[in-house]
Amino acid sequence: GENVEQHPSTLSVQEGDSAVIKCTYSDSASNYFPWYKQELGKGPQLIIDIRSNVGEKKDQRIAVTLNKTAKHFSLHITETQPEDSAVYFCAASIGSNYQLIWGAGTKLIIKP
Amino acid sequence: NAGVTQTPKFRILKIGQSMTLQCAQDMNHNYMYWYRQDPGMGLKLIYYSVGAGITDKGEVPNGYNVSRSTTEDFPLRLELAAPSQTSVYFCASRGQGSNQPQHFGDGTRLSIL
Repeated sequence: GENVEQHPSTLSVQEGDSAVIKCTYSDSASNYFPWYKQELGKGPQLIIDIRSNVGEKKDQRIAVTLNKTAKHFSLHITETQPEDSAVYFCAASIGSNYQLIWGAGTKLIIKP
Repeated sequence: NAGVTQTPKFRILKIGQSMTLQCAQDMNHNYMYWYRQDPGMGLKLIYYSVGAGITDKGEVPNGYNVSRSTTEDFPLRLELAAPSQTSVYFCASRGQGSNQPQHFGDGTRLSIL
């Protein structure tokens, strides 16, 4: 079946440094790629998304890049802060009813 | 604006018991989804609905049932609870159109003992 692979499973970076999380997807028909942040005890919250007709999208310290040929997309967080510590999930659209297939998540730890 | 509300937040069930997880949204969204999240895993889709009266199976529907009698509510039913159904359950909704994100509730943590 279709799947999304996400790496690394845990990422520890010094406060102020950059963090990069990578995902690959298998369904060539996927055209929507959101990133969600999940804090402890809460539901996932959308932080940024990208569509297949765009190669890069930026929102302040967060950016996402998409390579459709290679079927991979990445989340970049610059100037990391303690509040960036959370679990991050990537997802890719599948099917015709806006369903998403999810990566396994990356636990991001920001060291002071 | 409440968004997506899930109840209860926590529940412990005995094997073989049944229960209903409630999900309500006040954003007039057509699309609603139920996911389960196991430790170290991504979200797995259980069931989804594209509108009142319409439901369909996701990736892991066995052991669950849903109904969608109104736009606002999308309850998930466990008929015969099994230890394998111990998980955190999330409900999500989205509006019409390709640019709409899924909005999530804060989850129900369910333990089957």
